[in-house]
Amino acid sequence: GDSVTQMEGPVTLSEEAFLTINCTYTATGYPSLFWYVQYPGEGLQLLLKATKADDKGSNKGFEATYRKETTSFHLEKGSVQVSDSAVYFCALSDLSGAGSYQLTFGKGTKLSVIP
Amino acid sequence: DGGITQSPKYLFRKEGQNVTLSCEQNLNHDAMYWYRQDPGQGLRLIYYSQIVNDFQKGDIAEGYSVSREKKESFPLTVTSAQKNPTAFYLCASSELDRTNYGYTFGSGTRLTVV
Repeated sequence: GDSVTQMEGPVTLSEEAFLTINCTYTATGYPSLFWYVQYPGEGLQLLLKATKADDKGSNKGFEATYRKETTSFHLEKGSVQVSDSAVYFCALSDLSGAGSYQLTFGKGTKLSVIP
Repeated sequence: DGGITQSPKYLFRKEGQNVTLSCEQNLNHDAMYWYRQDPGQGLRLIYYSQIVNDFQKGDIAEGYSVSREKKESFPLTVTSAQKNPTAFYLCASSELDRTNYGYTFGSGTRLTVV
């Protein structure tokens, strides 16, 4: 079945540092890929998405590129801020599967940014 | 503005009580979902529904029940059979025919057993 593997956290960075959170996936079809962000005590918000190979999703300074050859969708940001402290979830939606309306989530990576 | 509303934000339950968590959406989405999140953990699917009057069990349905009498509403009941109900509960919705849009989530309900 489909699965998503994220790097384990927590990740602690100083303000203005470069961020990478790794995400790899396995899917039977040709999935759409997502990053969600969860701030403390809140629900998940869609951060960015990509629907086909080589697409780059971007939002709020975050970027991720859909790499079919390496089955990866790593999240990057050039200069993190304290306000970026949150839990980040990678997810996929495989339109070819029987449960194609469902997202498969990774376990989440907690990011803490210190001043 | 369209979105999902979960209520209450905080809920306290005594041992042996059933409690119901509300989830309402005005996005005209067909599918709705309930997830449980424990501290430092990922999301675990409890129940989901694609259409009114129909729903399916997720990975951890034991001790929970749902109904889908209206497209907009998908309440979750945590029954006394759920032995460890203290957790953060998230409701989500999505379209069925264009899932590359992902899910929209509510802001969650934190349930605590006292």
